[in-house]
Order: sequence, then C-alpha cells, then structure tokens
Amino acid sequence: GENVEQHPSTLSVQEGDSAVIKCTYSDSASNYFPWYKQELGKRPQLIIDIRSNVGEKKDQRIAVTLNKTAKHFSLHITETQPEDSAVYFCAASIRDTGRRALTFGSGTRLQVQP
Amino acid sequence: SQTIHQWPATLVQPVGSPLSLECTVEGTSNPNLYWYRQAAGRGLQLLFYSVGIGQISSEVPQNLSASRPQDRQFILSSKKLLLSDSGFYLCAWSASLWGAYNEQFFGPGTRLTVL
Repeated sequence: GENVEQHPSTLSVQEGDSAVIKCTYSDSASNYFPWYKQELGKRPQLIIDIRSNVGEKKDQRIAVTLNKTAKHFSLHITETQPEDSAVYFCAASIRDTGRRALTFGSGTRLQVQP
Repeated sequence: SQTIHQWPATLVQPVGSPLSLECTVEGTSNPNLYWYRQAAGRGLQLLFYSVGIGQISSEVPQNLSASRPQDRQFILSSKKLLLSDSGFYLCAWSASLWGAYNEQFFGPGTRLTVL
C-alpha cells in the first residue's frame, strides 16, 4: 500500500520568514495530494491540494509543488505569521479507486516566533 | 453546503465500558465516510471507511467496530474499552462521485479519555 513520509517533524521560523515542509510517497499511482492544517485541539482543515496533472498551485501565501518523477511534494508558506503556527499534515491518495482513503504523513509542528 | 457533526464532543469512560460515537453529515448524498483516531501529539490513523449503507472496511484490527445504519450516519462502537483507546476520534466525509478527487472534510472530533 501507499506510504507517505513527511519531514521535518518540527520546524521553528521567525515571523516573516518562509517555511517549507516536504513529503514523499511510494505509490506512483497516487494522483491527489492534499495538505491539512490542525490547530491545537481542533479538527484538521484542508488548506490546499494538488492533482497530478499540475506541478504547482498557489493560494495567497501558500503554495504546493509536485514532482511526480521523484514522488515528492512540498508545502511552501511565505511571510509566515504567528497564526500559521499549527501541525501540518500531507496526504496522498489514488483517484477512482473503491477505497478512496487518504494516507497521511506523520505531521510537522510549525512554530512561528513573533 | 455540507456540514458534519460528531457527538459527544468529550467523553470520559472507565476501562471495560462500552462506547458509541456518532457522526452525521448534512447536505450531501451517499458520501464516503471515515473514522480516524489521533493519539495525543501523533498523526491520523484510519480505523474504518464506508462507501455505502452497511458497507464497512476495517483498516486496523482491534476492539472497535463501525456501522452505517443510514446513508449519512456513521457510528463507532466498542463493547469493552481499553486504556489504549484514548484519543481524538475524527469522522470525515468525501464525495463518492466516480472521478471525484478524494477531498476529505473532518468533523469537530470526540476527545475520549479511558481511565
């Protein structure tokens, strides 16, 4: 089955700096890669996703890149703010399968220092 | 728009007691439904998923079970809780349309403490 590795496990940056979180996946058939943000005690929230037919997607200060050949994808947050502090999870899945389940990475705890 | 509800929000139960957590989705039909567990400070572990009424797939063998008695209702149960069952239980849904990408949306969660 699919295996998703995520790193780093913790990341501390100064406010205004950029943060990058990287994930690798094992199943070359995976074609959907979402990112979730989870604040303390809250539910994970989908913040951005990318499909295998594109290499990059941006939404204001966040962007995701995908390298299908190398089987890795990354989350980029620019101009970080204290409210970006949270745990971020990457995930991968295969479209058009009966299982339709996401395989999650182990999470990255991002702390933005004011 | 779609909304997902879970209850109770928090629960404290003694070891060996039964468990029933409920999840309901509004605003969509025939969703795929999922139960995840998150131990403190850890990642998301998929427990069960369902693609239709009465159809349950188990990802991890354990003392938990799931049922889907109605299209938009998903229940997680246990006959006898273990200490290791403590955690944050999250229900999620995704659209089941063939060809749809698997965007999953999570409910608010149930925080279970087994003493």
